[in-house]
Amino acid sequence: SQKIEQNSEALNIQEGKTATLTCNYTNYSPAYLQWYRQDPGRGPVFLLLIRENEKEKRKERLKVTFDTTLKQSLFHITASQPADSATYLCALGGESGGYQKVTFGTGTKLQVIP
Amino acid sequence: GAVVSQHPSWVICKSGTSVKIECRSLDFQATTMFWYRQFPKQSLMLMATSNEGSKATYEQGVEKDKFLINHASLTLSTLTVTSAHPEDSSFYICSAPPTSGNLETQYFGPGTRLLVL
Repeated sequence: SQKIEQNSEALNIQEGKTATLTCNYTNYSPAYLQWYRQDPGRGPVFLLLIRENEKEKRKERLKVTFDTTLKQSLFHITASQPADSATYLCALGGESGGYQKVTFGTGTKLQVIP
Repeated sequence: GAVVSQHPSWVICKSGTSVKIECRSLDFQATTMFWYRQFPKQSLMLMATSNEGSKATYEQGVEKDKFLINHASLTLSTLTVTSAHPEDSSFYICSAPPTSGNLETQYFGPGTRLLVL
């Protein structure tokens, strides 16, 4: 069966450290993978996109890697701040059923401790 | 940046009534919109794909007669929860990929909290 698992339902990290979130998938062949941030009671906000032929993407303090052999993406937040506390979702897209249709992972709740 | 709005932001209704939720793309056109449902402490589950000018495509297990979707224009999709029951209480979120630009781009609405008593 298909699964998208984000290891660690919750992750606590000290301010200033690098937070690393994991997204593993089974029985998917996504053309791209996205990372979103979701605050309580709000809709997801897009952060980064990485396509299947890309290994790494960066945006300011954010970095994402994509290993289609391991079927895994890692999402890093460097120099983490309390304002980074939120739930982070990975989403796979570009499968059959529509290129723009994405399927979300289980989410990781990140808490950055001052 | 592109904005997607939803109305209402929250709604409380009695069991058996119908509730309509609107999703609007404010500064771009979207031939496709997606509707998701999110239960507490769970991830977003895709319910259906709304297609402008044609029928919606529903995910497995989602009752099309209960969740009516109408995509009447390039900027508006509506989701009507018919004969709502307490188990339909959830957070409903829409998203819209712009018609032009990167195919992978999607903008999400702020969500609508539905509570059925």
